[in-house]
Amino acid sequence: SQKIEQNSEALNIQEGKTATLTCNYTNYSPAYLQWYRQDPGRGPVFLLLIRENEKEKRKERLKVTFDTTLKQSLFHITASQPADSATYLCALDYEAGSYQLTFGKGTKLSVIP
Amino acid sequence: NAGVTQTPKFQVLKTGQSMTLQCAQDMNHEYMSWYRQDPGMGLRLIHYSVGAGITDQGEVPNGYNVSRSTTEDFPLRLLSAAPSQTSVYFCASSYTGWASGRDLSYNEQFFGPGTRLTVL
Repeated sequence: SQKIEQNSEALNIQEGKTATLTCNYTNYSPAYLQWYRQDPGRGPVFLLLIRENEKEKRKERLKVTFDTTLKQSLFHITASQPADSATYLCALDYEAGSYQLTFGKGTKLSVIP
Repeated sequence: NAGVTQTPKFQVLKTGQSMTLQCAQDMNHEYMSWYRQDPGMGLRLIHYSVGAGITDQGEVPNGYNVSRSTTEDFPLRLLSAAPSQTSVYFCASSYTGWASGRDLSYNEQFFGPGTRLTVL
């Protein structure tokens, strides 16, 4: 069956460092991958989308890579700030090209001042 | 735009009671969906719709019904609440298909603020 794993439940890093979050998947050939941010008590908010034929996507301090051979995506936040503290979710299309998303369980990032 | 709105924000039910969670969006999105989020389980898809009059089951549909009579609204009904349905429920919407030469099938999903439901 399809499986999505985010490397750790929680990640603590020092302010100013680069945070790297991992999303791995198995039994799956997604057409795209998305990353969302979720703050406590709120709904997820879209951050970035990367397609299967793209290696890397950037948006301000955020960078996402997608390696379909390794079946892995890396999500980087450079020059991290305490305001970046949140839970980050990766999501894949349930079937290639479908609108449905399957989500990982998320990684809770804490940026320590 | 209000985006995706959900009501109520909080609800407590007794086992066996029924209720409807409301979801509305004002972005003219074709695709709408309902998720539940439980600790350690992540977001799981309950039901979804690709347009008015069209609905389908997701990963965990048992105990829930949906209908889509308009583009804007996508209510989720619990027919006979059970303690296992205690969760936080999120509604989401997105574009589908093509527009202005752009493939919107992979577009971002917009989430509502959630409804926290407790079933005693």
